[in-house]
Formats: sequence, C-alpha cells, structure tokens
Amino acid sequence: DIVMTQSPLSLPVTPGEPASISCRSSQSLLHSNGFNYLDWYVQKPGQSPQLLFYLGSKRASGVPDRFSISGSGTDFTLKITRVETEDVGIYYCMQGLQTPRTFGGGTKVDIK
Amino acid sequence: QVQLVESGGGLVKPGESLRLSCAASGFTFSDHYMSWIRQAPGKGLEWVSYIDGSGTATFYADSVKGRFTISRDNAKNSLSLQMDSLRADDTGIYYCAKDRQPSSYLGLHVWGQGTTVTVSS
Repeated sequence: DIVMTQSPLSLPVTPGEPASISCRSSQSLLHSNGFNYLDWYVQKPGQSPQLLFYLGSKRASGVPDRFSISGSGTDFTLKITRVETEDVGIYYCMQGLQTPRTFGGGTKVDIK
Repeated sequence: QVQLVESGGGLVKPGESLRLSCAASGFTFSDHYMSWIRQAPGKGLEWVSYIDGSGTATFYADSVKGRFTISRDNAKNSLSLQMDSLRADDTGIYYCAKDRQPSSYLGLHVWGQGTTVTVSS
C-alpha cells in the first residue's frame, strides 16, 4: 500500500499570513498520462470533507485562488497565500493511483 | 443539485451486522464509481471500498475485506454497504462519496453528510 505522510500535524496560523502543508507518498503518484493522482481535502469543523484539488493541481469548483498546489512524484505542498478564518479545519491528502486509496494523517489548521 | 444522503447507521453489538445505504440524486448515478470512507472518533479518514458504475467491479480495504460487501442499484440510484461480523474498531462515521468516471478521475468530489456506526457491547 502507498503510505501518505503529512506535516505538520498542527498548524496555528495568523489571519492574513501564509501557510503551507506538506504531503509525501511512499511511491511516485505520477501516472504515465502526466497527471499526479493526488487529491487534497479539507474537513471544516462539524462538516463532511470536501474536495479542494484533484489530479495534483486541478482546482475543485468554488475553491478560492488563495489556495495553490506544487510538487510532483512523491512530494507535494498545499499553500494558502493569506489565511482567512474560514480556512480553519483539517486538511488531508489522498492518493488515487492505486487501490487501496490511502489518506495522509491530516493537518489541523487553526487560528493562533 | 448533486446530493448524497446516507442512512442505516446505529448501535450494534460486536459480531452483529448492519446495512448502510446512500441515496444519490442530481447526477447520472450509473456513470460514476462510488466510494465509502469512514472516520473513527477523533481520527482521520480511511477509505473503505468502492464500486464501478455497473456494479461488477468492487474493491475493499484489507481491514474490511471478507466482512463488508458494497453494492449498488442503478435503477434506484442507491449505494449500499453490508457490514457483517462488526468489531469495535469499525465504529465511526461512514461517508459515501461520488467518485470517478471510467475515463476521467475527479477525486471524491461530492460527499454525503455521513451516518454513525457504533459497535459496542
């Protein structure tokens, strides 16, 4: 199984400041079609998870452009240019390249 | 709009069975794979199973293989998860999610609100 490792575990942030979350996979997620089979999800307090990005860098509908993705292969980063209070939640990466799909352990983003 | 509504959760004893359902609306159900994902109390997300659009191909996490069975009824736009031989570590919130199409990967782009399963004596 592909192991997904996220860091940090917890990320206290100041509104207006940038934030970044790292996700590493134990195997390359780059498919021969040129896409990385890596998704990002956020679970806001009391809500179901929701999709942020899929296939590495494809933005899901309604995701603000203050969110961006970088990386390929085994190393990926989710960046927020200026954190807003509504961005509080737990962020997960997930690989969709192989079955079983596997999630990272999550990064909790909260306000300092 | 696209909507997924889970039901069937509850409190059961270890070794008992439970059947979860997910009612889908707002999209062509048979065009999409569907997944179940669960979340133990205070823990992260764990992918459980998915099924292709026709219902002929199914995949399971090792932790549930042989105990859980995923199925779908495309005529009723319904997804199910039959859970047998339940254990305490199956406790959690179970989400269904709209998944890929055969020729396009879309991530888990719509999630239901979840249904809670508690396995305890």
